[in-house]
Amino acid sequence: AQSVTQLGSHVSVSEGALVLLRCNYSSSVPPYLFWYVQYPNQGLQLLLKYTSAATLVKGINDFEAEFKKSETSFHLTKPSAHMSDAAEYFCAVSVPTRRALTFGSGTRLQVQP
Amino acid sequence: NAGVTQTPKFQVLKTGQSMTLQCAQDMNHNSMYWYRQDPGMGLRLIYYSASEGTTDKGEVPNGYNVSRLNKREFSLRLESAAPSQTSVYFCASSVEGGGTEAFFGQGTRLTVV
Repeated sequence: AQSVTQLGSHVSVSEGALVLLRCNYSSSVPPYLFWYVQYPNQGLQLLLKYTSAATLVKGINDFEAEFKKSETSFHLTKPSAHMSDAAEYFCAVSVPTRRALTFGSGTRLQVQP
Repeated sequence: NAGVTQTPKFQVLKTGQSMTLQCAQDMNHNSMYWYRQDPGMGLRLIYYSASEGTTDKGEVPNGYNVSRLNKREFSLRLESAAPSQTSVYFCASSVEGGGTEAFFGQGTRLTVV
């Protein structure tokens, strides 16, 4: 079975600083990997996804993530944080044989002025 | 384009009461899902439906039933609500499983007292 571990339930950065949110996965077959964002009292929106094409994936709002098979990681980065990036971020994994996404526990990003 | 619509948005139930959460999507997706979100636990899959007429248990199905009424609609029923079912419930849909993106509704915040 596949699983996701997000390191750090809360991350705080200053506005303009680098954002790094960590995600490690476990899967017995090549996975599909996703990052979703949830703003307060809203549903989840897709930021980006990896589906076995390029290992560096670019998403919306200047976010990107790199798939590293050797490290079983899919960390999310953004060069310069904005106040509007404050939200909860979820890493998720799926595999062809299982139709539903499996989510990590989430990381709440706080951006300080 | 409404996407995924959930009703109601908020609900308070007494222990032992029953209710049905409704979900409809207008994107002609084959797969639909019900997740619950609890603090520090991410989203956990309750049930999913890979296609019209099929449903399968997810990670936490106890205390819930589902109906895939047609391709558009996927309802979640609590037959006898318990305080442990206090949560935020999300419906989602995707073209199909595997590597395809899931689209989420706005959520239903359920409190069982």
